[in-house]
Amino acid sequence: AQKVTQAQTEISVVEKEDVTLDCVYETRDTTYYLFWYKQPPSGELVFLIRRNSFDEQNEISGRYSWNFQKSTSSFNFTITASQVVDSAVYFCALSLEGETSGSRLTFGEGTQLTVNP
Amino acid sequence: DAGVTQSPTHLIKTRGQQVTLRCSPKSGHDTVSWYQQALGQGPQFIFQYYEEEERQRGNFPDRFSGHQFPNYSSELNVNALLLGDSALYLCASSLEGDKSPLHFGNGTRLTVT
Repeated sequence: AQKVTQAQTEISVVEKEDVTLDCVYETRDTTYYLFWYKQPPSGELVFLIRRNSFDEQNEISGRYSWNFQKSTSSFNFTITASQVVDSAVYFCALSLEGETSGSRLTFGEGTQLTVNP
Repeated sequence: DAGVTQSPTHLIKTRGQQVTLRCSPKSGHDTVSWYQQALGQGPQFIFQYYEEEERQRGNFPDRFSGHQFPNYSSELNVNALLLGDSALYLCASSLEGDKSPLHFGNGTRLTVT
């Protein structure tokens, strides 16, 4: 069975601080996908990134960056120069290759990020 | 281009009743998945529908059932509601074989009293 652990339940920072959200996963499969989703108060899950298990290259998208390390089964997410609009619940998730369209996601418990002005 | 739409947005039911939630997938998508998200927790996979059939199912009892219509829209039915069924129910759509990330709706907030 797959498992995703987000040990940080809540994080509170002041605007412009950098913040890292941790994600640790467990799976016996060698081929899998990792995701980050953002959930604002409206409830909709907004896709941020997907990585496959064979691509450990770190990725940067604007103020967002992701660090994938298979050796530690971690897929951490960093927001640089945080803004109030970044306040949301962030979920890390995993799906297995072969699960069509990556539909069957295993989510972590989420991290509530609050960015204060 | 309409995204995933769910109705109703909120619903209050009494224990023991039955409820039906509805989902219209994003235009061009043919696969619908349903997730249950209890307060303060991550979403849990309920089941997935493709070609009007349940294709995958998570660890949910038979009280949870679904249906997919020829226009790809879907319904989630829950019978004999329990207090523990109170949650946000999220619908997600995708295109078979596309492997694009799921598109989620805003969810239906179900409260069982």
